Amino acid sequence: EAQVTQNPRYLITVTGKKLTVTCSQNMNHEYMSWYRQDPGLGLRQIYYSMNVEVTDKGDVPEGYKVSRKEKRNFPLILESPSPNQTSLYFCASKRGDQPQHFGDGTRLSIL
Amino acid sequence: AQKITQTQPGMFVQEKEAVTLDCTYDTSDPSYGLFWYKQPSSGEMIFLIYQGSYDQQNATEGRYSLNFQKARKSANLVISASQLGDSAMYFCAMREGHGAGSYQLTFGKGTKLSVIP
Repeated sequence: EAQVTQNPRYLITVTGKKLTVTCSQNMNHEYMSWYRQDPGLGLRQIYYSMNVEVTDKGDVPEGYKVSRKEKRNFPLILESPSPNQTSLYFCASKRGDQPQHFGDGTRLSIL
Repeated sequence: AQKITQTQPGMFVQEKEAVTLDCTYDTSDPSYGLFWYKQPSSGEMIFLIYQGSYDQQNATEGRYSLNFQKARKSANLVISASQLGDSAMYFCAMREGHGAGSYQLTFGKGTKLSVIP
């Protein structure tokens, strides 16, 4: 089954404790992206990657890192999480002009 | 200026009635694509329908259709014969450009649709 898989789905953690949210897709898509969703703001792009070893900042990259060492994986790293990064996070992937496929979301709470 | 504007934070519709969710966009790129996604309370993002800027006809997918008015820069989603399961947040999104470099999606703030039995 074609899918984008995010882990974990839910995480409650504390300020400053490094965390990684993994994202994996099995569709051989070259493009992957991370978004955060906050009430009243819709989805905002954090980082995106057009292919292996090619990443670029989206609209709200501060406080986040990403890497794309393999085509299927695109982890989101929060080196020192802060409460303002409490949000619902989505990973997405696509090929060419096709619609993006989204993961099921990761709900992060930073205390 | 916002690239995608959804002016209706919330909408109500009677079951079995049709409903239109508004979306206007702003771009100077002649090549772009417009998308609608549904987000139920369970949180996942579900792709509904796509309209390309050069498409001659309005897109349709089952009960969903897109009322694309290029001159007015609007891409409204029409849901016919609403069902209780249509209650969700709906997001309009735009991709500007074509091919390499056209990967970013810009989302509107969403419209919460509630279907009343």
